[in-house]
Amino acid sequence: GAVVSQHPSRVICKSGTSVKIECRSLDFQATTMFWYRQFPKKSLMLMATSNEGSKATYEQGVEKDKFLINHASLTLSTLTVTSAHPEDSSFYICSASPGDGYTFGSGTRLTVV
Amino acid sequence: DAKTTQPNSMESNEEEPVHLPCNHSTISGTDYIHWYRQLPSQGPEYVIHGLTSNVNNRMASLAIAEDRKSSTLILHRATLRDAAVYYCILNSGGSNYKLTFGKGTLLTVNP
Repeated sequence: GAVVSQHPSRVICKSGTSVKIECRSLDFQATTMFWYRQFPKKSLMLMATSNEGSKATYEQGVEKDKFLINHASLTLSTLTVTSAHPEDSSFYICSASPGDGYTFGSGTRLTVV
Repeated sequence: DAKTTQPNSMESNEEEPVHLPCNHSTISGTDYIHWYRQLPSQGPEYVIHGLTSNVNNRMASLAIAEDRKSSTLILHRATLRDAAVYYCILNSGGSNYKLTFGKGTLLTVNP
């Protein structure tokens, strides 16, 4: 079946630094990918829609300068959390559709200390 | 996006069937009904989806009411590995359209 690979699975960074999370569609091309964040015991919240070759579309309340999204190829989207702070600590998940249903990455646990 | 309503939690015994309900009274004619589940510390996993007719796959069955205002996800024999949060989501926009997650149903499976 279609696979979305997300890396890293877990990262700890110092406050003020930036962290990049990669999301790859392994056996299909994705012109659109989606980035979610999830706080403990909460549901997934869509952050942005990543569009290959064009700017991402951010959901209301999500700072585009803080969460930089790049979708340079049909199989790779990256989310960079810039100047991370402890409140950015969360579970970040990407998703794409191979055409029928959606496939999700395994998530990235970000801890900012 | 049309909203869905699910019970916060349900409990089942191992090897028994589980019926997870979802209400979507404001569903539109083009909305597909999707079900995903999420195990702890993992990304969601696709379970099943349908439009009007009941659907079956290796994981589950989806029973859709005739008026499409509700649906039921059926796990025929629950296992401990089925313990997860199950999300019922409506999607009318195709594969490039975002999914909006509600709170889902936390399914507990007792041995």
